[in-house]
Amino acid sequence: QVQLQESGPGLVKPSQTLSLTCTVSGGSISSNNSYWSWIRQPAGKALEWIGRIYISGSTNYNPSLKSRVNISLDTAKNQFFLNLTSVTAADTAIYYCARERRFCEGDCYAVGIDWGQGNLVSVSS
Amino acid sequence: DIVLTQSPDSLAASLGERATINCKSSHSVLYSSNNKNYLAWYQQKPGQPPKLLIYWASTRDSGVPDRFSGSGSGTDFTLTISSLQAEDVAVYYCQQYYRTQTFGQGTKVEIK
Repeated sequence: QVQLQESGPGLVKPSQTLSLTCTVSGGSISSNNSYWSWIRQPAGKALEWIGRIYISGSTNYNPSLKSRVNISLDTAKNQFFLNLTSVTAADTAIYYCARERRFCEGDCYAVGIDWGQGNLVSVSS
Repeated sequence: DIVLTQSPDSLAASLGERATINCKSSHSVLYSSNNKNYLAWYQQKPGQPPKLLIYWASTRDSGVPDRFSGSGSGTDFTLTISSLQAEDVAVYYCQQYYRTQTFGQGTKVEIK
């Protein structure tokens, strides 16, 4: 069973860049049956998918965040990363890293999500 | 974006009672070439990440009790807990993966 663990600062100043790391254990980030994703949840609110990366390096982002988001990975360290630039208080949330199960039948889709425990990030001066 | 709207926002039922949650999609999530509905359900208990319960609208994930069932097709879906247990107190989310990923706003389930 793959396990995911987020790490990074719990407090970021407005206008700065939020950077988080997800360490994957119990499986390889190079697996072709997985997408690696970030999802966030503001307190008391619904889940918002931020984006994903596949081992090929291809990425998909939520259109509402695309201009500020970059997701990358490091196969040697079995880690992937989130950078979110120009943050405001609206970016305060629990940030989850996740594995989306990749399913291919013609096209490929993410079917089902396995989640890390989450990392609370507050944006405040 | 595909918008998912859940109803009700919260519900309270007695132990052993049936609980039903609805999810309506702004766009069909039925992929005609394989006749699969690209919709999942998650359970989130307080202080925990969500847990996958059901995918393809009606397929239970490994280890999920059979009191949880999913149904529906196209734009209208339902999650049913056939006999509510104390450990089922949680917020439940539907999610579509037909076009990237979006989630419903959540339904809070409590014991009456």
